Amino acid sequence: EADIYQTPRYLVIGTGKKITLECSQTMGHDKMYWYQQDPGMELHLIHYSYGVNSTEKGDLSSESTVSRIRTEHFPLTLESARPSHTSQYLCASSPSPDRGRGYTFGSGTRLTVV
Amino acid sequence: GQQLNQSPQSMFIQEGEDVSMNCTSSSIFNTWLWYKQDPGEGPVLLIALYKAGELTSNGRLTAQFGITRKDSFLNISASIPSDVGIYFCAGQLRNSGGSNYKLTFGKGTLLTVNP
Repeated sequence: EADIYQTPRYLVIGTGKKITLECSQTMGHDKMYWYQQDPGMELHLIHYSYGVNSTEKGDLSSESTVSRIRTEHFPLTLESARPSHTSQYLCASSPSPDRGRGYTFGSGTRLTVV
Repeated sequence: GQQLNQSPQSMFIQEGEDVSMNCTSSSIFNTWLWYKQDPGEGPVLLIALYKAGELTSNGRLTAQFGITRKDSFLNISASIPSDVGIYFCAGQLRNSGGSNYKLTFGKGTLLTVNP
């Protein structure tokens, strides 16, 4: 049973459209993360949050933005989608303090921009 | 930032064979984690290691935390078709206050098992 949910699972959208990828978790975790996974498998951290009203950019520069108004919700928004944004987007969360159990990941959103 | 070198990048094996993959780092970690990502899903934690030299098993999986704290390996014995997927190592530091830093992930090992 998943405790972190991402919607939609798949999205095909035209260039220039605004999109929001949803991520919600029911575990009460303070920390949440967004990763972009390229076709070469590597995971790139693009955003993270350590709590409500806290957001930081990750290691990989991204044109997307995030918000954290509620503990359980961490949506990612692209104001104007481009084909270069085509990728798999994974959301994850972890508790604070971290008990050394790593992150819990969602099932991902596969985004295709045509 | 810290980087993990994970190898091999991909493996093609026959069902029943044993598999070994490893991760090395230029700096030490307090925790090593191994994840598996099934096709179309997010990564799932397989094994967590917390002490240098620690050897931990989870069914057919065995992982070890290197003595130098800069490496870890994962072995899968008697592979089966459902072992197919991407395996990631991840390292984590813990500061003196007990807080943990973000995970550093390896680039992944793609495992294909031929029936």
